[in-house]
This record gives sequence, C-alpha cells and structure tokens, in this order.
Amino acid sequence: GENVEQHPSTLSVQEGDSAVIKCTYSDSASNYFPWYKQELGKGPQLIIDIRSNVGEKKDQRIAVTLNKTAKHFSLHITETQPEDSAVYFCAANGDSGYALNFGKGTSLLVTP
Amino acid sequence: DGGITQSPKYLFRKEGQNVTLSCEQNLNHDAMYWYRQDPGQGLRLIYYSQIVNDFQKGDIAEGYSVSREKKESFPLTVTSAQKNPTAFYLCASSMFNQETQYFGPGTRLLVL
Repeated sequence: GENVEQHPSTLSVQEGDSAVIKCTYSDSASNYFPWYKQELGKGPQLIIDIRSNVGEKKDQRIAVTLNKTAKHFSLHITETQPEDSAVYFCAANGDSGYALNFGKGTSLLVTP
Repeated sequence: DGGITQSPKYLFRKEGQNVTLSCEQNLNHDAMYWYRQDPGQGLRLIYYSQIVNDFQKGDIAEGYSVSREKKESFPLTVTSAQKNPTAFYLCASSMFNQETQYFGPGTRLLVL
C-alpha cells in the first residue's frame, strides 16, 4: 500500500519567515495530494490540494509543489503569522483512488 | 449550515463495553470515512463507504464495525475486541468519485 513520509515533525519559525514542509510517497499510482491544517482538538481542514497533472498550485500565502519523478511534494507558507501555528498533514490517495494515506504531521509554531 | 457533525465530543467506555460514535453529514456526499488519530501520529483509515449499504475495511478495521443504512449517516461501533480504543476519531465525507475529503470535528474516546 501507499506509504507517506513527512518531514520535519516539528518546525519553529519567526513571524514573517517562510515555512516548508516536505512529503514523499511510495505508490506511483497516487495522483491526488491534499494538505490539511489541524488546530488543537479540532478536525483537519483542507487548505490546498494538487493533482498529478499540475506541478505547482498557489493560494495567497500557501503553495504546493509536486515532483512526480521523485515522488515528493511540498507545502510552502510565506509571510507566516501566529495563526498559522497548527499541525499540518500531507496525504496521498494511493492505488485505492479515494481513501487517503496520511503523513504523521508537522507541528508548526510561528513565534511573534 | 452544511457540514459534518460528530457526537458526542467526548465519550467514555468501560472495559468490555461496546460504544457507538455518530457521524452525520448534510453535504449530500456519497462517500464517508472513519479515521483514528493517536498522539503524534497521522490519521489511519478504519472503514470507508462509497455508497449506501456498502463499506470496505481500511488499514485498522479489527475491533470496529460500521453500518451505512442512510446516505447521510455512518456510525462507528468500537467493540470490546478493540483493546486499545483510546484515540481521537474523525469522520470525513466526499462526493462520489472525488478524492477531496472534508472532516468533522472529531470524537475523543477515553477508557475508564
């Protein structure tokens, strides 16, 4: 089955700096890669996703890049703010098509 | 207000007891999913259902059971066979043949 690895597990940045979280996947059949943000005690919230026919996608301060050859994808957050502090999860759909396989998460702390 | 609701927010289980977690959605989504989240871990798939009266096991189905009698409801029963049930349980849903999943607020299950 699909195996998704995520790094780093914790990340601390100063407000205004950029943050980058990286994920790798194992199943070449994966073609959908979402990113979720989870605040303490709440359910994950989809923040951005990318499909395999696209190399990069942006939404304001958030961007995701995908390298299918290397089987890795990354989340980029620019001009970080304290409210960006949360746990971020990457995922890939694998060969099942619809069930998602998640990385173990990155705890991002943005300090003022 | 459209969305996914999970109840209760906290649930306590005694040894040897079965408990049922509720998940309801009014998004008119066809597919529904149950995930388990442990501290410092990613989300692991328990069961999923693409259509009414049909469901498939995920990676960690042992000790759990589900039913899908209505499109908007997908209850999860944690049976006494699940020896380590303490976790945060998340329900999600998606449109038919779409990978994008939306999550509910979660239920935290604790063992007395």
